[in-house]
Amino acid sequence: AQSVTQPDIHITVSEGASLELRCNYSYGATPYLFWYVQSPGQGLQLLLKYFSGDTLVQGIKGFEAEFKRSQSSFNLRKPSVHWSDAAEYFCAVGATDSWGKLQFGAGTQVVVTP
Amino acid sequence: DVKVTQSSRYLVKRTGEKVFLECVQDMDHENMFWYRQDPGLGLRLIYFSYDVKMKEKGDIPEGYSVSREKKERFSLILESASTNQTSMYLCASSPRRSDTQYFGPGTRLTVL
Repeated sequence: AQSVTQPDIHITVSEGASLELRCNYSYGATPYLFWYVQSPGQGLQLLLKYFSGDTLVQGIKGFEAEFKRSQSSFNLRKPSVHWSDAAEYFCAVGATDSWGKLQFGAGTQVVVTP
Repeated sequence: DVKVTQSSRYLVKRTGEKVFLECVQDMDHENMFWYRQDPGLGLRLIYFSYDVKMKEKGDIPEGYSVSREKKERFSLILESASTNQTSMYLCASSPRRSDTQYFGPGTRLTVL
């Protein structure tokens, strides 16, 4: 069965420190992957996406993610977090044969401390 | 910029009521989706549509129906609302299959 796992439900990080959010997937077909961010009470905003090509992708707000096929992972990173990065982050995976449907992880809540 | 709008940000209904959630996108996208979001469960797909008058069940369609009479509008219908349908409902659209989905702001529905 297809699945997406975000192992960390909650992460606390100090402002200025680096951040890494983990995402692992189990998919039979060639996947395409997304990271979305959700601020409180808001919809989801796309941070970055991977369809093919260079496995290191750059996104908005200084985020990047690396697709590692051998590890079935698509981890999100930011070198230096800002207080405004406090939000919930979702990894999502789709497959070209899935009619555009996405499977979402359960989300990781990021808290930024001064 | 893509704009996906949802008719209400907050909605309170009573058990047994018929509830309509409306979603409109302004970018001529082919595909539209309805999700519900619950803490610890992420987003779960209720229904999606890849064309006018076409609909497909997602992972949790029970208790819901949808309507897509025009390309830009996708409605989610709760025929008889129940308390376990209290949730955040998110609509999304994408230009074609296997492409980025763009989300609306969500409707937080409470069923009493």
